[in-house]
Amino acid sequence: GAGVSQSPSNKVTEKGKDVELRCDPISGHTALYWYRQSLGQGLEFLIYFQGNSAPDKSGLPSDRFSAERTGGSVSTLTIQRTQQEDSAVYFCASSFGGDTQYFGPGTRLTVL
Amino acid sequence: KQEVTQIPAALSVPEGENLVLNCSFTDSAIYNLQWFRQDPGKGLTSLLLIQSSQREQTSGRLNASLDKSSGRSTLYIAASQPGDSATYLCAADSGGGADGLTFGKGTHLIIQP
Repeated sequence: GAGVSQSPSNKVTEKGKDVELRCDPISGHTALYWYRQSLGQGLEFLIYFQGNSAPDKSGLPSDRFSAERTGGSVSTLTIQRTQQEDSAVYFCASSFGGDTQYFGPGTRLTVL
Repeated sequence: KQEVTQIPAALSVPEGENLVLNCSFTDSAIYNLQWFRQDPGKGLTSLLLIQSSQREQTSGRLNASLDKSSGRSTLYIAASQPGDSATYLCAADSGGGADGLTFGKGTHLIIQP
């Protein structure tokens, strides 16, 4: 079946612009996660959604980051007023409950 | 706060050898531990998940073990092949998903033909 999909696959933006990253989880998966992987760094957890429940936003790097999940399915990660340190690959993952997390191909964000 | 360490950071071995990748974690109160592989410029592929109540999991030539009391997991790869070349990541779930996975920095594995 279809895996986790993310769009766009690549995004180049200018410093100060807003960007939106999209994630389509595996159908039926109740949990959705966002991570980022900066160059030379490990994967960093950002935020978790369980069904339609409000997420814990404490893992987001700054208040410029926000995320939403509509109808318990598709999720959008928004970064406002992008900075060069936001450049990274942003991954989305989904799972059924706390089981195996399946990752999407990622969105490579470059902030010039 | 959970911390995950992987040793070695890089490993290069001839094709056909059996090898062991090591992972250690500081907080033994985990729900599960996952092993992934990541190919250059790609996403993560799940290899094995070990629940906290389990000691090991096997999939084909891969075997992962878990020792919660010592805070260690190992990934054993039998009869290595050039196609096994990738970065292998270990990740601990300490919050039943709510805290996400805590990843190690990975072991970059090269299998020489």
